[in-house]
Amino acid sequence: EPEVTQTPSHQVTQMGQEVILRCVPISNHLYFYWYRQILGQKVEFLVSFYNNEISEKSEIFDDQFSVERPDGSNFTLKIRSTKLEDSAMYFCASSLGRDFPEAFFGQGTRLTVV
Amino acid sequence: AQSVAQPEDQVNVAEGNPLTVKCTYSVSGNPYLFWYVQYPNRGLQFLLKYITGDNLVKGSYGFEAEFNKSQTSFHLKKPSALVSDSALYFCAVRDNRGNNRLAFGKGNQVVVIP
Repeated sequence: EPEVTQTPSHQVTQMGQEVILRCVPISNHLYFYWYRQILGQKVEFLVSFYNNEISEKSEIFDDQFSVERPDGSNFTLKIRSTKLEDSAMYFCASSLGRDFPEAFFGQGTRLTVV
Repeated sequence: AQSVAQPEDQVNVAEGNPLTVKCTYSVSGNPYLFWYVQYPNRGLQFLLKYITGDNLVKGSYGFEAEFNKSQTSFHLKKPSALVSDSALYFCAVRDNRGNNRLAFGKGNQVVVIP
């Protein structure tokens, strides 16, 4: 069964460093997303991506964040200068399209900023 | 803005008994509603959705949910709970106007007691 895969499963980084979280969405899906979940809090929307551009972003997704689909399979989230409060589980997701809006999620990357 | 409320923190149920996990939502326009399940150290797994049509929708692993527009609810149900159903359950909503972001509830821990 097709699935969304994320790497790495766990990343530890020093405050101020840049990190790139990687995702391979389901191959025929058209919409791609990043969500995050800070420990003990709700899952929060960060950004959606369609047709090689950001279609929507939340207030959390500021200039520190960027997304890219560098080739036909990968979808990345870059955090330019990490802060302690960026520590969270980051989930990538993808969906097929308008008539099939359900998003399928990866297993997550746990980011720890020290 | 869309939002979801899952009023209970934890739901305890004896194996073989009916399981209900409650969800109410707020959204502009008509809702798209989803339930996801999360097992330890795993991503969010799609269970079922309501888009339009019959108010009772059936999903994976014997789960179903009932959409009630007047009560703005979308409660998850299973007639006979299994110990393996013990997990964290999330309700999510988005509108049907092309806004792709999902708003999640805080999640309910379900504990099925043998």
